[in-house]
Amino acid sequence: EVQLVESGGDLVQPGGSLRLSCAASGFTFSSYRMHWVRQAPGKGLVWVSRIHNDGSLTVYADSVKGRFTISRDNAKNALYLQMNSLRAEDTAIYYCVRGTTGTGGWFDPWGQGTLVTVSS
Amino acid sequence: QSALTQPASVSGSPGQSITISCTGTSSDVGSYNFVSWYQQHPGKAPKLLIYEVSKRPSGVSDRFSGSKSGNTASLTISGLQSEDEADYYCCSYAGSSIHYVFGTGTKVTVL
Repeated sequence: EVQLVESGGDLVQPGGSLRLSCAASGFTFSSYRMHWVRQAPGKGLVWVSRIHNDGSLTVYADSVKGRFTISRDNAKNALYLQMNSLRAEDTAIYYCVRGTTGTGGWFDPWGQGTLVTVSS
Repeated sequence: QSALTQPASVSGSPGQSITISCTGTSSDVGSYNFVSWYQQHPGKAPKLLIYEVSKRPSGVSDRFSGSKSGNTASLTISGLQSEDEADYYCCSYAGSSIHYVFGTGTKVTVL
């Protein structure tokens, strides 16, 4: 069974940092592009970042560019999101999502999400 | 980049068919066949329903179907059931600058 389990969400002050992790199992992790997608409380889905299967290429939404860094460890089947200079508007559930093995624009499956709250 | 436009809510009676629209621009929906649809029940993670405009992953009911015309994509739910009551989101690839854009979301109510 394909499974993605996020961890690391917490309450953090504005300007602070947090590192999210995602443990993947049930598929060949190193073959897939991976994404982070977030959802503010009561709001819609917003794509955050993508990393290629070998980590060679990373891309970001403009709202997080320069503050967030996506990375992966294929030996550990793990995906990460380092979040710096956090703002109140970064408050959201962050989902780890599997992408495709090549070009494509869909997300499947999704993890259960981890909640990040940015507040003083 | 603005979100794709979806109706805030759509409702229907059990057994009926409903269609949810997803309007973008010539830079996203109109340019790529990478439109996907997701179902999200309250407190749950989204679930893929449709990818590449009209393809259904294995295990997804054939009551769900997708299509696209110009800058607008559509999701049709046939034979509406109570368990279809959920939020639905479309998503489109939008090129190498914006990458991916989601729709505003539609709440489906089964009357």
